[in-house]
Amino acid sequence: GESVGLHLPTLSVQEGDNSIINCAYSNSASDYFIWYKQESGKGPQFIIDIRSNMDKRQGQRVTVLLNKTVKHLSLQIAATQPGDSAVYFCADIQTGANNLFFGTGTRLTVIP
Amino acid sequence: DARVTQTPRHKVTEMGQEVTMRCQPILGHNTVFWYRQTMMQGLELLAYFRNRAPLDDSGMPKDRFSAEMPDATLATLKIQPSEPRDSAVYFCASVPPLYSGGPDTQYFGPGTRLTVL
Repeated sequence: GESVGLHLPTLSVQEGDNSIINCAYSNSASDYFIWYKQESGKGPQFIIDIRSNMDKRQGQRVTVLLNKTVKHLSLQIAATQPGDSAVYFCADIQTGANNLFFGTGTRLTVIP
Repeated sequence: DARVTQTPRHKVTEMGQEVTMRCQPILGHNTVFWYRQTMMQGLELLAYFRNRAPLDDSGMPKDRFSAEMPDATLATLKIQPSEPRDSAVYFCASVPPLYSGGPDTQYFGPGTRLTVL
């Protein structure tokens, strides 16, 4: 089946800077997108989601942008902190299908 | 704070032995997934259940893997016989009923790290 992919496998940012993690998806029928954070030794943890009828959604220090025209979404982390260091996955799903398609992940390293 | 639990957290076994991993989904969640994560393959979906019925196990090697949900509070993943290539972290995730409120997302357990020697 179609899958979600990530542009960059690693990203290093200075503490306090903003981080942007990008993701491309291929399934035009996907209507729900989720960003997960996975810290070492733990399972993926939900960060933020967005539905296809939205272009932008904001959470606490995080913003997800969705561009359906080019099948691209991004995760922006404001004022990146050392605790943000982790692997970030995007995933897409068709509502009702329940099976997520995960990208390979981007490792974010925050430099103190 | 409801969460998915998995046991054991770590398992080291020898090739050919049977391995059983257990998952307790969040109470009220009616869909349960099993994933395998390796450095090379990333997160791979193995199987999932809804209301205890298997919906898709196409990602699972049928000759050695089996997944069951004997009741709504327990999901099991069994490997018999285990092989070194099965070494990975196995995650269970559960999902609340669709449109029940909140994000329609999967809640992951901490994983079982399996090493087959």
